[in-house]
Amino acid sequence: QVQLVQSGAEVRKPGASVKVSCKASGYSFTSKGISWVRQAPGQGLEWMGWISAYRGNTNYAQKFQDRVTVTTDTSASTAYMELRSLTSDDTAVYYCARDVDYRCDNWGQGTLVTVSS
Amino acid sequence: QSALTQPPSASGSPGQSVTISCTGTSSDVGGYNYVSWYQQHPGKAPKVIIYEVTKRPSGVPDRFSGSKSDNTASLTVSGLQADDEADYYCSSYAGNTRVFGGGTKLTVL
Repeated sequence: QVQLVQSGAEVRKPGASVKVSCKASGYSFTSKGISWVRQAPGQGLEWMGWISAYRGNTNYAQKFQDRVTVTTDTSASTAYMELRSLTSDDTAVYYCARDVDYRCDNWGQGTLVTVSS
Repeated sequence: QSALTQPPSASGSPGQSVTISCTGTSSDVGGYNYVSWYQQHPGKAPKVIIYEVTKRPSGVPDRFSGSKSDNTASLTVSGLQADDEADYYCSSYAGNTRVFGGGTKLTVL
């Protein structure tokens, strides 16, 4: 079965960066894309970006264009999301999801990133 | 890219039907047949229940159905059950990006 397992919770100070990993199993990693979605406490879902695990090309939401980088390591079937210049507004649960024809059909368990001084 | 517009709340009694709307623009909902709906229970990851406007993944009951007219998509939940109480989010492809709705909290009375 398809599984996406994310790295554990992180705490960062304002201005720092964070890198979250997402290890995929149960399917051919390079056959699908990976989207990253975040959810601030008590708030809705917010799409951040997408990567083709096959070609490595990316698309990002305009809001995060300058601060986020999504990459993959195909040898490890793992996707990564790095977010820089963190502020308290970036405190959220970050999800990776397998992206199939513009839908997220399998999701990771989420990674809580807390930004606090 | 603005978020899609959903009502913040909806409710219905067990057995009833409820419809949740999702309004976008011709650049997202109206421009593509790639609208998805997600169900999220508290503390859990979202789960896709409708994709490509009307399609249901295997295992999703046919009580859940989707439709679209112009720039507005809709999710209908028929025969409401207690376990349907959750947050529901629509999402649309928007030309190399995706956009989510603000979410609707469905309460089963």
